[in-house]
Amino acid sequence: GENVEQHPSTLSVQEGDSAVIKCTYSDSASNYFPWYKQELGKGPQLIIDIRSNVGEKKDQRIAVTLNKTAKHFSLHITETQPEDSAVYFCAASRRNTPLVFGKGTRLSVIA
Amino acid sequence: DTEVTQTPKHLVMGMTNKKSLKCEQHMGHRAMYWYKQKAKKPPELMFVYSYEKLSINESVPSRFSPECPNSSLLNLHLHALQPEDSALYLCASSLLTGNTEAFFGQGTRLTVV
Repeated sequence: GENVEQHPSTLSVQEGDSAVIKCTYSDSASNYFPWYKQELGKGPQLIIDIRSNVGEKKDQRIAVTLNKTAKHFSLHITETQPEDSAVYFCAASRRNTPLVFGKGTRLSVIA
Repeated sequence: DTEVTQTPKHLVMGMTNKKSLKCEQHMGHRAMYWYKQKAKKPPELMFVYSYEKLSINESVPSRFSPECPNSSLLNLHLHALQPEDSALYLCASSLLTGNTEAFFGQGTRLTVV
């Protein structure tokens, strides 16, 4: 089955700096890669996703890149703000298979 | 509208109680999920319903009993739980199972005493 590794487990950045979180997956048939943000006491919120036919996707300060050959994908947050502080999960899936999550990254943005 | 609504938000129950968690979505999604999440861990898949039929049961103990009354509703019936079952229970839905956007509810914080 699919296995998703996520690094780092914790990340602290100064406000205004960039943050990068990386994930690798094992199943070459996986073709959908979402990222979730989870704030304390809340459910995970889908913030961006990418499919295997695309190498990069951007939405304002958030971008995701995918390298199918190397089986890894990354989340990039630019101009970080205190409200970006949360736990971020990457995930992978393919047709008829539920999401498999990475272990999460706790991001702290220091004002 | 990408809302998945879960009730109740918080639940405290004794080990001999019977309670139910409820989940509702009106996005026309045909896949619905129950996840369990412990502190500082990722969501852990429990059950998947596809077109109102149970398609995946991740070897969950029988004290957890899912039910999908219709395409918009998902319930999780709880009976004879243990303190270690205390966790955040999350419901999610997606158009289909796999490789489509999945949206989560806010969760039910369950405490078993």
